[in-house]
Amino acid sequence: DQQVKQNSPSLSVQEGRISILNCDYTNSMFDYFLWYKKYPAEGPTFLISISSIKDKNEDGRFTVFLNKSAKHLSLHIVPSQPGDSAVYFCAASARATSGSRLTFGEGTQLTVNP
Amino acid sequence: DARVTQTPRHKVTEMGQEVTMRCQPILGHNTVFWYRQTMMQGLELLAYFRNRAPLDDSGMPKDRFSAEMPDATLATLKIQPSEPRDSAVYFCASGLVLGGEGRETQYFGPGTRLLVL
Repeated sequence: DQQVKQNSPSLSVQEGRISILNCDYTNSMFDYFLWYKKYPAEGPTFLISISSIKDKNEDGRFTVFLNKSAKHLSLHIVPSQPGDSAVYFCAASARATSGSRLTFGEGTQLTVNP
Repeated sequence: DARVTQTPRHKVTEMGQEVTMRCQPILGHNTVFWYRQTMMQGLELLAYFRNRAPLDDSGMPKDRFSAEMPDATLATLKIQPSEPRDSAVYFCASGLVLGGEGRETQYFGPGTRLLVL
């Protein structure tokens, strides 16, 4: 039962363009969502988060959008840079039912070409 | 530059042997998580502690895995006996509540890559 799904295993974009990474979830109890970036041989690094009371959160080049009715969130990176090439994981938690437990998607490999 | 540290970074062992992985959380963080990453299952939570007390270990095979926090600066994950299906990367993360929303952000260590032959 995959409660958090990232349907695109990979994405390739040109430097300077927008990268859009998508994530869908099924558990309506999820109320907090996060994006992590992971380079090879390193642990995931926190990027940005959003609470279910918001529909958008922005931090520099990174913006996360949440569509609760569609149970969908996306991460926009503008402009994309070669250093953004990594695996991106979305994650979700449901404080009421599972406290700090994070459920992760499978990840999307982003490649930004110079 | 505070970060989570994990030892060893790599471990190769034979089936049946005991494996102990160690984690030093970021000073001041009071929540510690153990995750396992495999090709088939992705990143899955094994267990987590708050203030050194186990809060959730439902993701951990109880017959062979055990997790402890002997003190606030050390968390351990032990597998005894190890099996080839335990081969994976094991991540430790420590958590801190950030910002006004009162939600926890988890900071990951570099992982221990375990291979059981």
